[in-house]
Amino acid sequence: QVQLQESGPGLVKSSQTLSLTCTVSGRSISSGSYYWSWIRQPAGKGLECIGRLYTSGSTNYNPSLKSRVTISMDTSKNQFSLKLFSVTAADTAVYYCAREVVRDGYSSLDHWGQGTLVTVSS
Amino acid sequence: IQLTQSPSFLSASVGDRVTITCRASQGIYSYLAWYQQKPGQAPNLLIYGASTLQTGVPSRFSGSGSGTEFTLTISSLQPEDFATYYCQQLSSYPYSFGQGTKLEI
Repeated sequence: QVQLQESGPGLVKSSQTLSLTCTVSGRSISSGSYYWSWIRQPAGKGLECIGRLYTSGSTNYNPSLKSRVTISMDTSKNQFSLKLFSVTAADTAVYYCAREVVRDGYSSLDHWGQGTLVTVSS
Repeated sequence: IQLTQSPSFLSASVGDRVTITCRASQGIYSYLAWYQQKPGQAPNLLIYGASTLQTGVPSRFSGSGSGTEFTLTISSLQPEDFATYYCQQLSSYPYSFGQGTKLEI
């Protein structure tokens, strides 16, 4: 059974870098045909895709955040990470990691972490 | 690609049949998924490919549609179904979500 768990600081100062890690168990992040994704959700609001990492290491980012985001993987620890630079209060949100799978030609996010709240303070 | 869900809020009772609509700003074939989210929890996948039920999801949930208009139907509401529902397009990245439909008792 695949499980994902986010970890990282819950409080980040404005203009600094938000760093989160997603630890995956039950499946190697470097095998198979999966994307490993970051999604965020401000309190009381909807969901936004931040970016994703393919098992090969290639990445896709949301253009609205692309200039401030880096997603990378550490296969030795079976983890993938998010860095969001120059944060502001607008980046305060619950951050989720998730797995994207393709079945019968259709993608979906079938496994999610529990989410971690990151607050940006001034 | 923008997704618009209707209604944004829905009041219903146990045993009711309810339908939520998701409209896409451009055609997305059947590259659409539905998720259920309860307070304090991550979204949970219900349907992918517009109409395929995720393993373990009760058969009272069903999805239909293609192109720009999609629906999620719950045939007979159960107490555990009161939650917020999101559609998501997976036709082109960045994937986008609808604004959500909150289903209340």
